[in-house]
Amino acid sequence: QQQVKQSPQSLIVQKGGISIINCAYENTAFDYFPWYQQFPGKGPALLIAIRPDVSEKKEGRFTISFNKSAKQFSLHIMDSQPGDSATYFCAASMETSGSRLTFGEGTQLTVNP
Amino acid sequence: DADVTQTPRNRITKTGKRIMLECSQTKGHDRMYWYRQDPGLGLRLIYYSFDVKDINKGEISDGYSVSRQAQAKFSLSLESAIPNQTALYFCATTSSGTGEQFFGPGTRLTVL
Repeated sequence: QQQVKQSPQSLIVQKGGISIINCAYENTAFDYFPWYQQFPGKGPALLIAIRPDVSEKKEGRFTISFNKSAKQFSLHIMDSQPGDSATYFCAASMETSGSRLTFGEGTQLTVNP
Repeated sequence: DADVTQTPRNRITKTGKRIMLECSQTKGHDRMYWYRQDPGLGLRLIYYSFDVKDINKGEISDGYSVSRQAQAKFSLSLESAIPNQTALYFCATTSSGTGEQFFGPGTRLTVL
C-alpha cells in the first residue's frame, strides 16, 4: 500500500511557466516532508523540505505548500527553466522511525525551451 | 571525491547468481539505507542500519540481505538473483537528528 501518492506521473511545461506537483499522505504521524530532485544517471538530492508546523516554505523559485487537514502537500516551481527538467519525488518520514523515508511514485518534469 | 560511492555502477547477471552491491560513505554518518527504484513505483526501502550492530528490514527485504562492515560501509546482497530484481539500487546516508538523506549515484542491476 502506497502511503504517499504523487501526481501527475509526468508533466510538460513551457519555459517560464509554473510547475505543480501534488502529493497526498495517509499516516498522520508523518512529521517531515521533503522533495527530492533526480537528474538522469544521478541519485536523488534534497531540494526543499517542510515540517507540519508551517503551511508554506519558499526557497528561491521552489515553494512547498502544506495542508495538514487535507493531508496533502505540493511543490510549485515558478518560472520553470529547462534545467529544472528532472524527476521529482515527494517523501515523508516520522521522527520515531529514524529518518526512514516513504517516497511517492515520482513525477518526470520536462520544461520546453 | 564523492561523499557516497557505490560499486559496481552497472551489473548484468544471470538468474540464480549471488550478487553483492557495495556502498561506502565519507560523511561520517551513522545511518545508512538501501533503496530500489522502479519506474512508476518511486524508491522503496530494502534495509537500513543505524549503526554497525543495528540492522533493520525495510518494506521489501525479501530476497535481499545486508552487511554493515563498518560505520562507513554497507553492502547489499542478492543471494539468488531473479529477473524481477532488475532495478536501480541506491544507497543513502544521514546523520541522526537530521532529515536529509544523501544518495549515492546508484547501481543499475539487470538479472537475465
